[in-house]
Amino acid sequence: EAQVTQNPRYLITVTGKKLTVTCSQNMNHEYMSWYRQDPGLGLRQIYYSMNVEVTDKGDVPEGYKVSRKEKRNFPLILESPSPNQTSLYFCASRGLGLAGRYNEQFFGPGTRLTVL
Amino acid sequence: AQKVTQAQTEISVVEKEDVTLDCVYETRDTTYYLFWYKQPPSGELVFLIRRNSFDEQNEISGRYSWNFQKSTSSFNFTITASQVVDSAVYFCALSEIDSYFVANNLFFGTGTRLTVIP
Repeated sequence: EAQVTQNPRYLITVTGKKLTVTCSQNMNHEYMSWYRQDPGLGLRQIYYSMNVEVTDKGDVPEGYKVSRKEKRNFPLILESPSPNQTSLYFCASRGLGLAGRYNEQFFGPGTRLTVL
Repeated sequence: AQKVTQAQTEISVVEKEDVTLDCVYETRDTTYYLFWYKQPPSGELVFLIRRNSFDEQNEISGRYSWNFQKSTSSFNFTITASQVVDSAVYFCALSEIDSYFVANNLFFGTGTRLTVIP
């Protein structure tokens, strides 16, 4: 089954304790991205990656890191989490495919993070 | 720069009523995609529709219909005969297409929370 998986689904942590949220896709997609969802703000992009070893900042990258060492994985790293990073996080992937054709974007199930 | 506005933060309707969710977008590009996603209480994002800027035809899928009007930069979503299962947050989103005809990142509106009262 084609899917994007995220782990963990729920996480409660404390300020300053480094954490990683994993994201994996089994569709051989080139493009992967991370979003955070906050009430009244919708989904905002944190980072995205067009392929292995190619990453770029989205709209709200401060306080986050990513890496893309393998095509299937795109972990989100919070080196020193703070309470304002409490949010619902979504990973997404899609193939870049042929010019002129939009390839569907698949979203993971979400990770609800609480930073105390 | 691109922007998606969903002015309705929350809407409540009684079951079987029709409801329209508004979406207004801004983009400098002439080619782009527009989307609607549904987020039920369980939290996942469910894709509903994609529309490209070349196609202004309205679309109907069961009780759902979409009205795309480039002249007013709007892509409104109507649910006919609403049901309790339609209760969710609905997001409108925009993706611009670059000079290589590749769709770029998705930009989301802030969402509209729809509550259907039985």
